[in-house]
Amino acid sequence: KAGVTQTPRYLIKTRGQQVTLSCSPISGHRSVSWYQQTPGQGLQFLFEYFSETQRNKGNFPGRFSGRQFSNSRSEMNVSTLELGDSALYLCASSKGTNTEAFFGQGTRLTVV
Amino acid sequence: GIQVEQSPPDLILQEGANSTLRCNFSDSVNNLQWFHQNPWGQLINLFYIPSGTKQNGRLSATTVATERYSLLYISSSQTTDSGVYFCAVMRSQGNLIFGKGTKLSVKP
Repeated sequence: KAGVTQTPRYLIKTRGQQVTLSCSPISGHRSVSWYQQTPGQGLQFLFEYFSETQRNKGNFPGRFSGRQFSNSRSEMNVSTLELGDSALYLCASSKGTNTEAFFGQGTRLTVV
Repeated sequence: GIQVEQSPPDLILQEGANSTLRCNFSDSVNNLQWFHQNPWGQLINLFYIPSGTKQNGRLSATTVATERYSLLYISSSQTTDSGVYFCAVMRSQGNLIFGKGTKLSVKP
């Protein structure tokens, strides 16, 4: 059974640009969550989607947004990139609330 | 919000040694998971263990939910066990809250 797939794996962007990251969950999983990992702040929750609805959101500015499609695939978008957005972005999928979460390989974003 | 504290922050072992990693959390939780982050950044699931004890090969974990802690045991450590181990808890909101991790280095 295929795991969680994130694309692209690596990305380099310039300050002020925007970026879209993609996450395909495990088949049958309806919940997708996004996390940002930086050396200074560790792993922080961005948002969670379930059946195309955002159910929960972390403490990030409005430049960070996401969506989920009817096939449960999810995208997150970061507009007006800042140097501090350089991070590893991880996506997790699960069957639903309070069930085991499985992570993708991540997208490493570098903003220059 | 809930606090998750992992100890020790760093651990250096000789190959073959045993170790215990600890995770304390400040409030009741619905879910607790242990992960190993590989050198490429992916979080590898080790245990889904809201309560009780589980074993998987040389690894085992115990969560005592009433006392708000979990322990990860690694026996006969190998160099491939090196990396960062994370504990993460989930409450009703549905998102995982991570500790800062324990960085394990196993020397040959």
